[in-house]
Parts: sequence; C-alpha cells; structure tokens
Amino acid sequence: NAGVMQNPRHLVRRRGQEARLRCSPMKGHSHVYWYRQLPEEGLKFMVYLQKENIIDESGMPKERFSAEFPKEGPSILRIQQVVRGDSAAYFCASSPLSGRTGNTIYFGEGSWLTVV
Amino acid sequence: ILNVEQSPQSLHVQEGDSTNFTCSFPSSNFYALHWYRWETAKSPEALFVMTLNGDEKKKGRISATLNTKEGYSYLYIKGSQPEDSATYLCALWDMRFGAGTRLTVKP
Repeated sequence: NAGVMQNPRHLVRRRGQEARLRCSPMKGHSHVYWYRQLPEEGLKFMVYLQKENIIDESGMPKERFSAEFPKEGPSILRIQQVVRGDSAAYFCASSPLSGRTGNTIYFGEGSWLTVV
Repeated sequence: ILNVEQSPQSLHVQEGDSTNFTCSFPSSNFYALHWYRWETAKSPEALFVMTLNGDEKKKGRISATLNTKEGYSYLYIKGSQPEDSATYLCALWDMRFGAGTRLTVKP
C-alpha cells in the first residue's frame, strides 16, 4: 500500500506566479490535511478536507491560497501570485476517518516551495 | 480551535539519560490525543494515539500517559539515544499540532 504521495517534491516559482501542490492520499483514505512549515517554525495547520468538501479552512491565509479535494484525483493546494514569504515546506497528511475517531494521520514527504 | 501547549520548547540531554515532556490541552470534550516524532528533513511519524483517561502506551523505550481530567499527557523516553533526537509533537483530534519539544541527545 503506497504511502501519501506529494508532488512536486521541490518547486521553484518567481514572484507573481502560481504554485500548485498535489497530494494523493493513501488508498482508502478520504480525509486530507495540509500543513505549512515556515523556516525555524513548527507545523502549522492550514486546511482539512474530505472528498469534495472543505471541512475546516481556518488556518488558510485569507487571500491567494485555496485547496480542493475532488471526487477523483489528488488534493490540490493552490497558491496564486506567490511572494517570497510563501517559501516553505508544505506537508499533506491523510486518514481514513476523522480525527475524533482517534485515527492516525499519515504524512507525505512534503513539497518544498522556493519563491525567487 | 483547540490549543495545545508543549513544554519545554527544547531539551538537551546526554546519551543514557531518561527524559520527559508535556502536552497540555483543554480538558473539556476530549476525543483523542496524538503524539508524533519529527526528524529534520523528514515527515512526521506517528507514535501514539491516546483516547482514554489513564491510557498508557509504550513503544520500545518511549511511553506516554494521558490524564484527560486535568488536561495533560506526558511522553517519556528511557535511556535516550542520539537517534531519539527529533521534535516531538502533540495534537488533539483536530490535528492542530503544538509547537513541539525539540530533543537533542548528545553522545
């Protein structure tokens, strides 16, 4: 059973471009979480999605950031008009059920975004 | 939003020392607490999920306890080794992690 797959692993974008980060959850997992790790900081929650639904996006910046998890295909974290401050590692995690059930979430290896 | 607090922020111990750190959380409406281990340049790895007051879990030299009435969980490492060096994270069921405790074990 393949783990959580994130791609690209490394992405370089110029200021003002768009960045798209993809996350394919583990087989059978319908819950996806996105996190951001800024330099010298911890793991910050961004958004929690179920298939076709955004459950909690309270950690997402109000502008330029969006996330989706369509019925088919990977979850996408989209950052429009990137700025240098968006440079970070973005981690995705998946689980088969919600956190209230005590299910472990499994992390991908992360996508490193560098804005130049 | 459920805030978890972890202490200490960082810890330096000698190889062979035993150590412990704390995750504090609001004690109302508890469902589950998660502990993760996060090595530099890797992805976080699950250690324990704890759901019941009084739970004790163990994996090798690492163990954890849970007190939901007073809102804390302890993570213990017995006989620390350099490979235990990592950041240890906790989160409640909403999967918002605390700032972590960064452990460095010196040979």
